[in-house]
Amino acid sequence: KAGVTQTPRYLIKTRGQQVTLSCSPISGHRSVSWYQQTPGQGLQFLFEYFSETQRNKGNFPGRFSGRQFSNSRSEMNVSTLELGDSALYLCASSQGWKNIQYFGAGTRLSVL
Amino acid sequence: GQQVMQIPQYQHVQEGEDFTTYCNSSTTLSNIQWYKQRPGGHPVFLIQLVKSGEVKKQKRLTFQFGEAKKNSSLHITATQTTDVGTYFCAGLSNAGNMLTFGGGTRLMVKP
Repeated sequence: KAGVTQTPRYLIKTRGQQVTLSCSPISGHRSVSWYQQTPGQGLQFLFEYFSETQRNKGNFPGRFSGRQFSNSRSEMNVSTLELGDSALYLCASSQGWKNIQYFGAGTRLSVL
Repeated sequence: GQQVMQIPQYQHVQEGEDFTTYCNSSTTLSNIQWYKQRPGGHPVFLIQLVKSGEVKKQKRLTFQFGEAKKNSSLHITATQTTDVGTYFCAGLSNAGNMLTFGGGTRLMVKP
């Protein structure tokens, strides 16, 4: 099975712009979660989608949003980018009650 | 809400020394998972513990889940340079609907 695919791998944006990141989960996985990782901040949970519905949400401002499509692919959008949004954004898919996270390689976003 | 604390944040060891990282949850967990992230990589699932007091081994790695299902530890015996990376624990809430990651322990091994 192919793993979790995230595109693009790298992005450079300027303050005030918006960005959309994409995640294709492992085939058959219906849950997709998004995380923000910055040096020294660990993995900060953004949100989780299951069957096109947001199931859980972390403590991030409304500028961060997401959605999931019927084929389980997910997108994450960040509007009005700030310098502090520079981070590695990781997507993970899971299946079943154990909720084991299978991570993609991430999208590294730099905001200038 | 559920909080998962992990200590230490950093650990430097000489190759061959042992290493332990500890994970504590503010609430009782359904299960606990451990992940490893190599430098420049993404987190990779290592193991899941479900039962109270459970102990599992993977070669030189020993994982424990506390009796109260609120704490866990990962112990590496005789570290090697290949063990370098950040180890994360993640606790699944009793309701089974929320996975919370600890802050991670970054392990550095001097050859």
